[in-house]
Amino acid sequence: GAVVSQHPSWVICKSGTSVKIECRSLDFQATTMFWYRQFPKQSLMLMATSNEGSKATYEQGVEKDKFLINHASLTLSTLTVTSAHPEDSSFYICSAPGQKGFETQYFGPGTRLLVL
Amino acid sequence: AQSVAQPEDQVNVAEGNPLTVKCTYSVSGNPYLFWYVQYPNRGLQFLLKYITGDNLVKGSYGFEAEFNKSQTSFHLKKPSALVSDSALYFCAVRDTLRDYKLSFGAGTTVTVRA
Repeated sequence: GAVVSQHPSWVICKSGTSVKIECRSLDFQATTMFWYRQFPKQSLMLMATSNEGSKATYEQGVEKDKFLINHASLTLSTLTVTSAHPEDSSFYICSAPGQKGFETQYFGPGTRLLVL
Repeated sequence: AQSVAQPEDQVNVAEGNPLTVKCTYSVSGNPYLFWYVQYPNRGLQFLLKYITGDNLVKGSYGFEAEFNKSQTSFHLKKPSALVSDSALYFCAVRDTLRDYKLSFGAGTTVTVRA
């Protein structure tokens, strides 16, 4: 089946630093990937749609300069949290549509970010 | 706009008893419906989906869901719950007349007691 990985699985950083999170589709190509944010015991909030070879599409209220997305190849998308602050602490999850299209999305295991 | 409602924050059942997790949806066109399960500090695992065809959909780990168009519902069911089914369950919908984005419900925490 389709596997999506994320790296790192967790990261702790100081306030003001930038953190990069990678999302990879391991056994399939993904021209589109999605980035979600999840607060404890809450639902997933779609942050942005990552498009290979073009700019990401951000959801309303998400700062594109704060959350930089780069879809470098057909198997890799990165999310960089710039100048991180404690309120950016969250669980970040990426997903990618399967090979049959957008009928099913496959989710990565998530990255826990803690900003001190 | 598309939306999903999971009316129960928590569902508690005894092991061996039937488990039901409720979900209702709202879309403009025809829905694609999904159930995902999330274990602590993990990503979402796909359980099952309804795209078209039979209203009763069977998925992973013995789960099934029934699509009811008149009631706009897609309840998740398992005839005999296991302690290992304890997790957070999300219902999601995609409106086929709109784009490919998924909208998730708030989630239902299932606790199965031994």
